[in-house]
Parts: sequence; C-alpha cells; structure tokens
Amino acid sequence: GENVEQHPSTLSVQEGDSAVIKCTYSDSASNYFPWYKQELGKRPQLIIDIRSNVGEKKDQRIAVTLNKTAKHFSLHITETQPEDSAVYFCAASWGGGTSYGKLTFGQGTILTVHP
Amino acid sequence: NAGVMQNPRHLVRRRGQEARLRCSPMKGHSHVYWYRQLPEEGLKFMVYLQKENIIDESGMPKERFSAEFPKEGPSILRIQQVVRGDSAAYFCASSPRSGRNEQYFGPGTRLTVT
Repeated sequence: GENVEQHPSTLSVQEGDSAVIKCTYSDSASNYFPWYKQELGKRPQLIIDIRSNVGEKKDQRIAVTLNKTAKHFSLHITETQPEDSAVYFCAASWGGGTSYGKLTFGQGTILTVHP
Repeated sequence: NAGVMQNPRHLVRRRGQEARLRCSPMKGHSHVYWYRQLPEEGLKFMVYLQKENIIDESGMPKERFSAEFPKEGPSILRIQQVVRGDSAAYFCASSPRSGRNEQYFGPGTRLTVT
C-alpha cells in the first residue's frame, strides 16, 4: 500500500517569511495529492490539490509542486500570517482497485507563524 | 449547500458500551470515507462506502467495528464494546465520485471512552 512521509514535523517562521513543507510517497500509481489545513479541534480543510498531469499549481499565497519522477510534492506558503498557524497534512490517493479515492496522509506539520 | 454533517460532535461512552457515529454527506455526494485521528496523530483511513455498498474496509479493525451507508439516511460507523484505545476523533469525508476527486470533511465526532 501507499506510504506518505512528511517533513518537517514542526516549523516556526516569522510573519512575512515563506514556509515550505515536503512530502514523499511510495506508490507510483498515486495520481492525486491534496493538502489539508487543520486548526485545533476543527475539521481538516482542503486548501489546495494537484493532479499527476500537472507540475505546479498556485492559489494566491499558496502553491504546490509535484515531481513524479522523484515521487515528492511540496507546499509553499508565501508572506505567512499568524492565521496560517495550524497543522498541515499532505495526502496521496491511489487510483486502483477498490481503494480508488482512499487518502493516505502524512504525519502532519505544526506550523507556527510568529507576529 | 450544507457541508458534511456529523453527529454527535462529542460522545462519551463507558468501556463495553456501543458507540454510533453518523455522517450525512454533502448534497449530491454518494461516496463516503471514514478516517480516525488519534490524539496528536495523523488521519488513518478506515472504510470507504457508496450507497448500500462497502467498497473498501481494509483500514477498519475486523472485530467490533462496522459501517453502513443505507439507501436512505446517513452513513453510520458502529463500534461495539468500546475500549479506551477507541478514544479518538472520527471524521467522515464525502466526494461526488471516486477516484481523483476532492474529499470534504465533516466536523468530526470526538469519542471518549471512560
């Protein structure tokens, strides 16, 4: 089955700096890679996703890049703000057999943005 | 358009009791996934259902856990004879169709076993 590794586990930045979180996956058949933001006690919220036929996607201050050859993808947040502080999870979805759509999550990154 | 609904939001059960967690997907969504999040850990897949069918239950413990998604009504995750190790947040997510499509999460049910 799929295995997703996420680094770093904690990340502390100053307001206005950039933050980068990296994930690697094991199954080359994975073709969908979402990122979720989870605030304390809240639901995971989908913030951006990328599909395997695209190398990069951007949405305002958030961007995701995908390297299929190396099997890794990254989340980039620019001009960070204190409200970006949360736990961020990457995930991979394997489109095969009966597991179609099932998400395998990374371990999470606790991002703290200091004012 | 209402989002994914889950109830109850908090559930306290004594060891040996049964827990029933409900999930109503977003309107127009017919695919439901259940995930479990242990304290300070990531989300782990449990089961994937479509209306009246369990498609993949590979992440669900073989004993005490069951799930259903009837033709009418919400999806239900049932845990029989709960133990302390079942204490966790249980999230469901819905998707309009399987495969490479986004999943939207409900607010979760936080189960505490005393």
